[in-house]
Amino acid sequence: GQSLEQPSEVTAVEGAIVQINCTYQTSGFYGLSWYQQHDGGAPTFLSYNGLDGLEETGRFSSFLSRSDSYGYLLLQELQMKDSASYFCAVKGGSTLGRLYFGRGTQLTVWP
Amino acid sequence: NAGVTQTPKFQVLKTGQSMTLQCAQDMNHNSMYWYRQDPGMGLRLIYYSASEGTTDKGEVPNGYNVSRLNKREFSLRLESAAPSQTSVYFCASSGGVSGRTDTQYFGPGTRLTVL
Repeated sequence: GQSLEQPSEVTAVEGAIVQINCTYQTSGFYGLSWYQQHDGGAPTFLSYNGLDGLEETGRFSSFLSRSDSYGYLLLQELQMKDSASYFCAVKGGSTLGRLYFGRGTQLTVWP
Repeated sequence: NAGVTQTPKFQVLKTGQSMTLQCAQDMNHNSMYWYRQDPGMGLRLIYYSASEGTTDKGEVPNGYNVSRLNKREFSLRLESAAPSQTSVYFCASSGGVSGRTDTQYFGPGTRLTVL
């Protein structure tokens, strides 16, 4: 089966850097994605890592180590609007295209 | 493009009532998904359709049925609603089943309460 572990909550102040970790166990692995969800909203795609290493998109970066079954999302220069839930999701298993989501990390950014 | 649309946005049912949640996408995506989201539980897959004409069970299919009406539309039916089905339901779509990425695009959700 598939399982993903990520912290339930993280807090930080504006301007700081925060890292949200995700460890996974999956039968078959094709990539790790991150999604952001604001309260009352829909999840939206942030980033994808199919290969080991760092992917950077503006203030957000995502890292993957397939040998460690581990990845993280790094958020820099935090802003109040970054307060949201962040989900890691693995693309794996027997059916390509299907994603398995973690339970989410609630990030609160304080002024 | 509207992306992924869902109707209704809110619904209150009594135990035992039935209803159908509608979902449509205009991105010409092959795959569509239904999730439910409960506090602290993340997104759990109910059913998915990898392509038009196919449907498969996800993690929590009991109490639900689906229909992939055509490439655009994927509906979720609750035949006899139960309080345990109180949740937020999200429909999503993605471009295909292969490739380096398979970004899922989500609809705005349906907030369902079963009394």
